Amino acid sequence: GAVVSQHPSWVICKSGTSVKIECRSLDFQATTMFWYRQFPKQSLMLMATSNEGSKATYEQGVEKDKFLINHASLTLSTLTVTSAHPEDSSFYICSALPDSGRNSPLHFGNGTRLTVT
Amino acid sequence: SQQGEEDPQALSIQEGENATMNCSYKTSINNLQWYRQNSGRGLVHLILIRSNEREKHSGRLRVTLDTSKKSSSLLITASRAADTASYFCATVLGGATNKLIFGTGTLLAVQP
Repeated sequence: GAVVSQHPSWVICKSGTSVKIECRSLDFQATTMFWYRQFPKQSLMLMATSNEGSKATYEQGVEKDKFLINHASLTLSTLTVTSAHPEDSSFYICSALPDSGRNSPLHFGNGTRLTVT
Repeated sequence: SQQGEEDPQALSIQEGENATMNCSYKTSINNLQWYRQNSGRGLVHLILIRSNEREKHSGRLRVTLDTSKKSSSLLITASRAADTASYFCATVLGGATNKLIFGTGTLLAVQP
């Protein structure tokens, strides 16, 4: 149980295009989801907290107009990288917090490797 | 921002040996969690320890938490080659936030 599906697994796009990444909780509801970014051989950096039905909360230094987050249902959050540039190339990972409570562990998707050429 | 720093950054041991990884953090927490990540993949949750707990076990894993020192350790006993991965501690901060902030991670290599 507690599976999070992240799609696509990898994507290659040209500079200037936008890319949408989906994060779905398959067998539980998640009012809150998180988006992380990971550079090679580094740790996960929290980008934003996605809340169902309300605006996302972005961490300091993360451009909200660049990384659009939509959490339209209790099982789906999307991250859109707009007007992507090579420096946006990274590994993006979503996670979902089950509505059963804050002392529950997060469940992570398998990540999306974005390469912008 | 990073909440925790892990030590060592990388560790190489032989199969059968024990591996110990340490994590230090900066602010008060609700709980601390350990995750494992195989190269280029998502994260797998290992153990969650609450701020009022001092030790927790799960199979070959043993986690300790010392809130007075703001530190935690993960011990993997009788390591196997399949344990090769990166290990991260992560903390849920005190207060109303649900945010999980990750430490810098330890890369563990278990040689067969």
